[in-house]
Amino acid sequence: DIQLTQSPSSLSASVGDRVTITCRASQGISSYLAWYQQKPGKAPELLIYAASTLQSGVPSRFSGSGSGTEFTLTISSLQAEDFATYYCQQLNSYPQTFGQGTKLEIK
Amino acid sequence: QVQLVESGGGVVQPGGSLRLSCVASGFTFSRYGMHWVRQAPGEGLEWVAVIWYDGSKKYYGDSVKGRFTISRDNSKNTLFLQMNSLRAEDTAVYYCARDECSGGSCSLDYWGQGTLVTVSS
Repeated sequence: DIQLTQSPSSLSASVGDRVTITCRASQGISSYLAWYQQKPGKAPELLIYAASTLQSGVPSRFSGSGSGTEFTLTISSLQAEDFATYYCQQLNSYPQTFGQGTKLEIK
Repeated sequence: QVQLVESGGGVVQPGGSLRLSCVASGFTFSRYGMHWVRQAPGEGLEWVAVIWYDGSKKYYGDSVKGRFTISRDNSKNTLFLQMNSLRAEDTAVYYCARDECSGGSCSLDYWGQGTLVTVSS
């Protein structure tokens, strides 16, 4: 099975900051990676698919990059509504897997 | 608009069974693969299973293989998860999600609100 490791596991930042979250795969997954945002008590929401394609309706301050084994999610200028937990998911092969999550908190 | 509504969660004893349902609306259900994803209390997301749009293929996560069965009824726009031999570690919120594939890349683009399964004596 493909393991996904996110770093950091938690992150404190301020409104307006630029933040980057990394997701590393235990083997190459091409660009078959998605990013999700989850707020407490809510279902996850899709942010980015195919490693770098922004889902319709998602603000342009979110961006994704990478291929193979290393991927990043960047938020260019944090807004109050961005404080949440973020997960990467590999869709290269079954069983699909998620990273352990990165909790983004207000500093 | 796309809606996914799960039901069937509850409290069940270890070793017991439960059947979850997910009713879909707002899109042509029979054209999409569907997933189950779960989240234990205070934990991260765990992928559980997927079923092809026509039910022809099914895949499972290692922790549920042989105990859980995913199925669908396209005539009723409904996805199911039959859970047998339940364990305490199966306690989680269970989400159904739609599989969207475009340009050769896929993602889970719509999710239900989840249904809580608690396995406890």
